[in-house]
Amino acid sequence: GQQLNQSPQSMFIQEGEDVSMNCTSSSIFNTWLWYKQEPGEGPVLLIALYKAGELTSNGRLTAQFGITRKDSFLNISASIPSDVGIYFCAGRGLNNNDMRFGAGTRLTVKP
Amino acid sequence: NAGVTQTPKFRILKIGQSMTLQCAQDMNHNYMYWYRQDPGMGLKLIYYSVGAGITDKGEVPNGYNVSRSTTEDFPLRLELAAPSQTSVYFCASSLADTQYFGPGTRLTVL
Repeated sequence: GQQLNQSPQSMFIQEGEDVSMNCTSSSIFNTWLWYKQEPGEGPVLLIALYKAGELTSNGRLTAQFGITRKDSFLNISASIPSDVGIYFCAGRGLNNNDMRFGAGTRLTVKP
Repeated sequence: NAGVTQTPKFRILKIGQSMTLQCAQDMNHNYMYWYRQDPGMGLKLIYYSVGAGITDKGEVPNGYNVSRSTTEDFPLRLELAAPSQTSVYFCASSLADTQYFGPGTRLTVL
């Protein structure tokens, strides 16, 4: 099946720094989604992207749907301690069941 | 709305035992999904349903069964538990392409 490569695997940053993570695929997707997962919880949707080239913000978070439809990135500006968690990208193909997830980026923010 | 709820939160099974993981949603979503999450890996789709009475296999269905008798409920059944099924299981539902996840069930098979 389609593979999503998410990088970096983990990040250790200082509070106030900006963060960038990305996902790439060998196949195209119709939708890109970014989720955050905190310990003991299910993933929570942060941003959904529906069109190639789309740039969407949600507070300090900004995500873009790559022009080639094979990649997406997520930026977090001015990180704070509560940004700690695992961030997952997901790409959706033609159908709702055709969803692939990246392996996640584990973010640690030092106060 | 409670959203997507899952029970139990934790369970330890012996090899060969069976159990049902419960999932319910109160958002009237047609689509429901079961995923497993292994350490350091992305979510893998086990089974999904596009509506009551309709289910289909995902990427990793072996060793599992599902049913969907109502819109709200989508239980996942393990008939003969194996150590390879040790994982965290997430149920999700969606109206369109945005999936909402439950809190997960952590299952250990010894």
